[in-house]
Amino acid sequence: SAVISQKPSRDICQRGTSLTIQCQVDSQVTMMFWYRQQPGQSLTLIATANQGSEATYESGFVIDKFPISRPNLTFSTLTVSNMSPEDSSIYLCSVEIGDTQYFGPGTRLTVL
Amino acid sequence: QQQVKQSPQSLIVQKGGISIINCAYENTAFDYFPWYQQFPGKGPALLIAIRPDVSEKKEGRFTISFNKSAKQFSLHIMDSQPGDSATYFCAAMNNTGKLIFGQGTTLQVKP
Repeated sequence: SAVISQKPSRDICQRGTSLTIQCQVDSQVTMMFWYRQQPGQSLTLIATANQGSEATYESGFVIDKFPISRPNLTFSTLTVSNMSPEDSSIYLCSVEIGDTQYFGPGTRLTVL
Repeated sequence: QQQVKQSPQSLIVQKGGISIINCAYENTAFDYFPWYQQFPGKGPALLIAIRPDVSEKKEGRFTISFNKSAKQFSLHIMDSQPGDSATYFCAAMNNTGKLIFGQGTTLQVKP
């Protein structure tokens, strides 16, 4: 398994601003993923972030809104840009180890 | 084709009873089926997983039953305990590593 941390754990932001979420893992991993979990809902994949290549976004998610960085094998960031109340969600990173994904604790974002 | 359908949406079980959650998929390219447990304010934690070449997998009180021909799989929690009260997600993964999640089941185990 892996120990995954996320910062911040929660934040309250104003409409129109941006927030960058950090994800740190305690071992080197090739594949990292970012998910969104809206209140009371399931998890939806935003993008896959592999070190050394551009992130791959799922349908309905675009780089201008959710830019992702993956500077090394233990770290990634997700930025939620030009936020609106509809962006209020839990944002989770995960890493693939073997054939399993392990999740971080999540970042709870509230946009006013 | 990418959907994973999960039922029931919510489940109430008495302590000591059996909790059963069902999932169905359409895409035969899925080859890995994990179950995750999520407590409020926490990220999902891997509970148990199965591959389609096995019909059943048991780990402690948790069992996955897998029916490849019906494209269905289920989670059974034996001797359910109040500490099992959480949201459970089934998921399916294809060879690209993408996880497709079911809608989730909120389980409440009454003392």
